[in-house]
Amino acid sequence: TQLLEQSPQFLSIQEGENLTVYCNSSSVFSSLQWYRQEPGEGPVLLVTVVTGGEVKKLKRLTFQFGDARKDSSLHITAAQPGDTGLYLCAGLETSYDKVIFGPGTSLSVIP
Amino acid sequence: DTEVTQTPKHLVMGMTNKKSLKCEQHMGHRAMYWYKQKAKKPPELMFVYSYEKLSINESVPSRFSPECPNSSLLNLHLHALQPEDSALYLCASSLEFRLYNEQFFGPGTRLTVL
Repeated sequence: TQLLEQSPQFLSIQEGENLTVYCNSSSVFSSLQWYRQEPGEGPVLLVTVVTGGEVKKLKRLTFQFGDARKDSSLHITAAQPGDTGLYLCAGLETSYDKVIFGPGTSLSVIP
Repeated sequence: DTEVTQTPKHLVMGMTNKKSLKCEQHMGHRAMYWYKQKAKKPPELMFVYSYEKLSINESVPSRFSPECPNSSLLNLHLHALQPEDSALYLCASSLEFRLYNEQFFGPGTRLTVL
């Protein structure tokens, strides 16, 4: 079974700080997604990365897919309170054809 | 229309009740999913429907019964639930199962079993 690990598990920072969240696996994924989920709501898709070494930018968010397609990172510049939420990475499990989720990083941005 | 809708938003039921959760999407997606999510945990896959046929059942107890009446609708019938079944139930859809794994989630139904 392919597993996804995320770090850190919890992160509390001041508004304006930068942060990086990591998603790692010992297995290769054909693609990875990042989602953000606010309390009581469903996850919202932020980005999909497919190519090893790929970097995608979404305003203040930068996503990177590792060269070996085993890991990914999410970097947020100048965090804002609206960035608060649970950040989930998810990968397509190539052997079993289903998406698996990492445990998530709970981010709190304090004004 | 690029959203997945779920009803009801909140549901409180007793252990002897029968209730149903409903999910709808009009994006032409042919794969639909039910997930269960506990607080501070990632979503856990329960069922996958592909082209209105059940493709995956993740060993879910029979007190949860999914139904896909057509390509836009997905139901989850609940009967004789236990208090530990209280959770956020999420519906999601994707263009196709296996090939396109970008999933679009509904807002969820917050279920409380008394």
